[in-house]
Amino acid sequence: ILNVEQSPQSLHVQEGDSTNFTCSFPSSNFYALHWYRWETAKSPEALFVMTLNGDEKKKGRISATLNTKEGYSYLYIKGSQPEDSATYLCAFLPGYSTLTFGKGTMLLVSP
Amino acid sequence: KAGVTQTPRYLIKTRGQQVTLSCSPISGHRSVSWYQQTPGQGLQFLFEYFSETQRNKGNFPGRFSGRQFSNSRSEMNVSTLELGDSALYLCASSLGVGRALNEQFFGPGTRLTVL
Repeated sequence: ILNVEQSPQSLHVQEGDSTNFTCSFPSSNFYALHWYRWETAKSPEALFVMTLNGDEKKKGRISATLNTKEGYSYLYIKGSQPEDSATYLCAFLPGYSTLTFGKGTMLLVSP
Repeated sequence: KAGVTQTPRYLIKTRGQQVTLSCSPISGHRSVSWYQQTPGQGLQFLFEYFSETQRNKGNFPGRFSGRQFSNSRSEMNVSTLELGDSALYLCASSLGVGRALNEQFFGPGTRLTVL
């Protein structure tokens, strides 16, 4: 069973704050790391698919970095807005199997 | 382009019954994966199908089964329902599978309640 850990479990910030959370995954047999955003009453939506060590991806105010050698990825949100409130999921894809999801970080941004 | 659709959206069953859930992927997607989500748990992987073949199976009892049809639509079946099967069941489609797996597109889910 693959271990994909996300921290913190939940986070409450004020509008305008910048925040970041962590996804830890096995450093062996790495193939890809996915990030998804899951808003309440909606379906999870892909944010990033990352494959290369040192990769850095950006979408608007959200960015992510990847360290495959040590097995972690960071997701950053700059200047959080209430519409960023969601659960952020990471998922590890090894070279021999399918996606394993972490339990997610629940972000609440208050106006 | 139509998204992933799942039917039914809500279902109430009693213990011991069986249930069949349906998923229609995005047109052109040949891979369908199923997940179970319960409070406090992440998305637990159930199955992955590609071109009518089960490619991967999660750690669930044999009461959980699935299949994929030639048009890539997929069904999952749960027999002899237990209270613990109450969950949100999500399906996701993608173009490829395994190392060719790119982003997954999720359906709205089926909320199953077992009484």
